[in-house]
Amino acid sequence: QKEVEQDPGPLSVPEGAIVSLNCTYSNSAFQYFMWYRQYSRKGPELLMYTYSSGNKEDGRFTAQVDKSSKYISLFIRDSQPSDSATYLCAMDSNYQLIWGAGTKLIIKP
Amino acid sequence: KAGVTQTPRYLIKTRGQQVTLSCSPISGHRSVSWYQQTPGQGLQFLFEYFSETQRNKGNFPGRFSGRQFSNSRSEMNVSTLELGDSALYLCASSLGWDSYGYTFGSGTRLTVV
Repeated sequence: QKEVEQDPGPLSVPEGAIVSLNCTYSNSAFQYFMWYRQYSRKGPELLMYTYSSGNKEDGRFTAQVDKSSKYISLFIRDSQPSDSATYLCAMDSNYQLIWGAGTKLIIKP
Repeated sequence: KAGVTQTPRYLIKTRGQQVTLSCSPISGHRSVSWYQQTPGQGLQFLFEYFSETQRNKGNFPGRFSGRQFSNSRSEMNVSTLELGDSALYLCASSLGWDSYGYTFGSGTRLTVV
């Protein structure tokens, strides 16, 4: 079993919809939880990070961490075609990132 | 400010050859990490350097090695290339003392034939 599980999708939604992306993990020692976005032929780009449990909002993006359930989420409001990309969750462990498989998101105009 | 620069962007090598990839971090960043990305395995950690010292290493064979120079630039080397080494190799830099501030380059696409 992988340390971080993420549904690879693809997830296809209409423009304007609220998108929910999720990861589960098994290592309770993780403290920083990150969401990256990766466009084709590009490196991952940090969207948001959260320390420990709680919510964090940045514009149309909201990150949630529930350490008791070992479950993290990323919500995208008013989704746009430009949000179409692969979204990867990552968690830190001793100067390395442990990654989910990435969810391919497609926003249909 | 300039981002993380990886060279070359694309590379084609033959089985058995060796290859060296280069990474120039963001100015002021002292940590450089390397990751391998493949469709089957996703992103996997190779190693991390801070001020020329390797602080952590992933589960890759000894054919994969790296180093960091005094100006924080880093190189990774893969010897005796195998077909399975075909992947996107990503470099990330950070200040080195936080666990979230990683900025990635666009990667080097290595194809082994």
